[in-house]
Amino acid sequence: DTEVTQTPKHLVMGMTNKKSLKCEQHMGHRAMYWYKQKAKKPPELMFVYSYEKLSINESVPSRFSPECPNSSLLNLHLHALQPEDSALYLCASSQGIAGETGELFFGEGSRLTVL
Amino acid sequence: GQNIDQPTEMTATEGAIVQINCTYQTSGFNGLFWYQQHAGEAPTFLSYNVLDGLEEKGRFSSFLSRSKGYSYLLLKELQMKDSASYLCAVRVINSNSGYALNFGKGTSLLVTP
Repeated sequence: DTEVTQTPKHLVMGMTNKKSLKCEQHMGHRAMYWYKQKAKKPPELMFVYSYEKLSINESVPSRFSPECPNSSLLNLHLHALQPEDSALYLCASSQGIAGETGELFFGEGSRLTVL
Repeated sequence: GQNIDQPTEMTATEGAIVQINCTYQTSGFNGLFWYQQHAGEAPTFLSYNVLDGLEEKGRFSSFLSRSKGYSYLLLKELQMKDSASYLCAVRVINSNSGYALNFGKGTSLLVTP
């Protein structure tokens, strides 16, 4: 199994809603990532979890709250978002071990629209 | 901080060879990756360099010079399906021993008949 699975694929929410994006991998990877990608732009790193601990937070607003319940799951909780937060949210995982290639495997993304 | 530069757009002919350059300035360098991304799809891994030199993988090759902060991706025998965005990405290690992959803006390659 070399897949990273993200749900939902599409999400429309209002600015007062609370929703969550979910990501799952069963490759035994110990590092998981959230990226945000706007149209015709490269992915921008948001969060990195290494061995289930948050290791990098790229100054992301608190309306985005990541959670790593276990080594296979990564969630992104959304609350009070703004229309400019509409984007494709990509989850990725990697071995996360020094010396390894560290190739990132990406999920297909969750396309979020904030009204 | 990171500074990763690559051309915005390139056009090449089917069957030809194209070279996409990438320059970077970063601290904590721990490897350089190339990803391919078709419109509306997730990025897919193409190649990885951590030491200087050329890595060849079928029609794709990637080169790295760490002293110059320079890499290129070489695509041979271009096919129409190679039309995509090519993302140069630098892996860095931060003080918390976390690895992060930071992407350049991407090069949009158009392959014409």
